[in-house]
Amino acid sequence: GENVEQHPSTLSVQEGDSAVIKCTYSDSASNYFPWYKQELGKRPQLIIDIRSNVGEKKDQRIAVTLNKTAKHFSLHITETQPEDSAVYFCAAIPGFQKLVFGTGTRLLVSP
Amino acid sequence: DTAVSQTPKYLVTQMGNDKSIKCEQNLGHDTMYWYKQDSKKFLKIMFSYNNKELIINETVPNRFSPKSPDKAHLNLHINSLELGDSAVYFCASSPGHNTEAFFGQGTRLTVV
Repeated sequence: GENVEQHPSTLSVQEGDSAVIKCTYSDSASNYFPWYKQELGKRPQLIIDIRSNVGEKKDQRIAVTLNKTAKHFSLHITETQPEDSAVYFCAAIPGFQKLVFGTGTRLLVSP
Repeated sequence: DTAVSQTPKYLVTQMGNDKSIKCEQNLGHDTMYWYKQDSKKFLKIMFSYNNKELIINETVPNRFSPKSPDKAHLNLHINSLELGDSAVYFCASSPGHNTEAFFGQGTRLTVV
């Protein structure tokens, strides 16, 4: 089955710095890759997603890149702010209705 | 107007008891899921339903029995609760294949 690996597990940055989280997947059939943000005690919420026919997508301070050949995709957050502190999950859908999550990255943005 | 709602939010119970968690979505989605999030924050799929039919059962012990009376509801019943069942359980729904999943607020289950 699909296996999604995510690195790093924790990431500490100073406010204003950039943060990059990387994921790799194993199933070449996967073609939808969402990213979720989970604040403490809250539900995971989608922040950005990318489909396999696109190499990059940007939404204000966040961007996602996808390399289908290498089977990896990354989340980039620029000009980080303290409210970006949360756990971030990448995910992939390898088959019918099965969203497989990475292991999560705890991002801490210090003022 | 909560899109995906689950009850209860907190559940504390003794080992060996049977408990249920309810989930409802008002988004008109065809697909619903149950996910388990353990203390290390890993999110693992347990079940997936499409139009009331079970699609995925990720080798979950048969003490866990999902039930979908209609496509807007997916409940989770757990028999003979064990300490290791303590986790946050999330219900989610999506409109179909290769689309975003919307999560409920989670149910924190603590087995003592």
